[in-house]
Amino acid sequence: EADIYQTPRYLVIGTGKKITLECSQTMGHDKMYWYQQDPGMELHLIHYSYGVNSTEKGDLSSESTVSRIRTEHFPLTLESARPSHTSQYLCASSEWGYGYTFGSGTRLTVV
Amino acid sequence: RKEVEQDPGPFNVPEGATVAFNCTYSNSASQSFFWYRQDCRKEPKLLMSVYSSGNEDGRFTAQLNRASQYISLLIRDSKLSDSATYLCVVNANNNDMRFGAGTRLTVKP
Repeated sequence: EADIYQTPRYLVIGTGKKITLECSQTMGHDKMYWYQQDPGMELHLIHYSYGVNSTEKGDLSSESTVSRIRTEHFPLTLESARPSHTSQYLCASSEWGYGYTFGSGTRLTVV
Repeated sequence: RKEVEQDPGPFNVPEGATVAFNCTYSNSASQSFFWYRQDCRKEPKLLMSVYSSGNEDGRFTAQLNRASQYISLLIRDSKLSDSATYLCVVNANNNDMRFGAGTRLTVKP
C-alpha cells in the first residue's frame, strides 16, 4: 500500500501549457524530493525540500518550480511545457537517516 | 568523478546462477547504505539496507567495506523475477541520498 501518491500517472500535453504534478505523502516525512528519469537512464535530482517553506534546486538544472506549503504536499510546476520536458518524474520522501520511499511517478509527454 | 559508481552491465545470467554487483562511493563520511531495485518503467523500491557487518535476506547478501569504500550485492540462485536494475544508494553529508546509475540484470531461462 502506497504512502506517497503522485498524480496524474500519465500526462500528454501540448507545448506551452502550464502543468502541475502532484505529490502527497501520509508518513509525516519532513524531507521530500523530485527526480527526473528518462527511460533506461539514471535518476537526476531536480528539487528537494527539508520541510515547510524550504525548497532547493537539485543537481540537474530544471525549468520547473516547486512549493512546500504543507508537510504532506510537494507539487512541481512547469510554467510552459516543452518537448524537452518529456520524461518520468518521481517524487520521494524520507526521514533523516532512512531510505527513500518513492511514488509511482508521472510519465509526462509534451507534444 | 561521480559520488556513487556502479558497473552498468548489463548482466545476462541463466536461472540459478549467482551474480554479484559492485559499487564504490567517494564520500568517506557516508554512514547509510542501501540497495534499491527498479523494474522497467516503475519506481525504485528498497531492496535492503547494508550494515557494517554484512547482512543477508534470503538469497540476497549485502557487504560493506568501509576501508575500500565499496559495497556489494550477491544474488544466489537467480530467478527470472530478479530481472531488474539494481541501484546502489549512499547518504551524503547533508544526509540526502546519492543514487548510482544502476546495474541492469537479466535472468534468462
